[in-house]
Amino acid sequence: AQSVTQPDIHITVSEGASLELRCNYSYGATPYLFWYVQSPGQGLQLLLKYFSGDTLVQGIKGFEAEFKRSQSSFNLRKPSVHWSDAAEYFCAVGANDDMRFGAGTRLTVKP
Amino acid sequence: DTAVSQTPKYLVTQMGNDKSIKCEQNLGHDTMYWYKQDSKKFLKIMFSYNNKELIINETVPNRFSPKSPDKAHLNLHINSLELGDSAVYFCASSQGTELGAFFGQGTRLTVV
Repeated sequence: AQSVTQPDIHITVSEGASLELRCNYSYGATPYLFWYVQSPGQGLQLLLKYFSGDTLVQGIKGFEAEFKRSQSSFNLRKPSVHWSDAAEYFCAVGANDDMRFGAGTRLTVKP
Repeated sequence: DTAVSQTPKYLVTQMGNDKSIKCEQNLGHDTMYWYKQDSKKFLKIMFSYNNKELIINETVPNRFSPKSPDKAHLNLHINSLELGDSAVYFCASSQGTELGAFFGQGTRLTVV
């Protein structure tokens, strides 16, 4: 089955700074890739998805992600972080009604 | 109007009891999932169903039995609850894997 690695368990950035969260996947064919955000006590919200076409995808809340097949990566970026972005972020890979998640990266935003 | 709804939101029960968690989606999706999120936030897929047919059964103990009466519902029944079953259980649905899944708000199960 497909799998996802998020190398960073916890990242702290200052408000207004740029952000990049890393994600690497393992899958034999072209993957469907996703980023989700989870605020405390909440369910998961889909930020963006990639399944074909342009490798730079735009999502909600000012997030974007770039698919790099050669590196098996799908990193999430945001040019300027807001305090409300503090949350847990999950990368996921899906195929054939099977969606697997990474371990998550907890984002802390410093004032 | 909630897209994916789970009930109950909180469930506290004693070891050895049997309990059920219900999930309903009003999005018209064909696929539904159950995930377990442990205390370290790790999300593990348990089951997926497509149009009432079991697709994924991910090394889950037999005490866990999903039931899909129709494609809008996927309920999770757990027999003989154990302390290690304490977690947050999420239901989700999707229409085609490539479009991503919509998640419910979760059910926090505490076994004492």
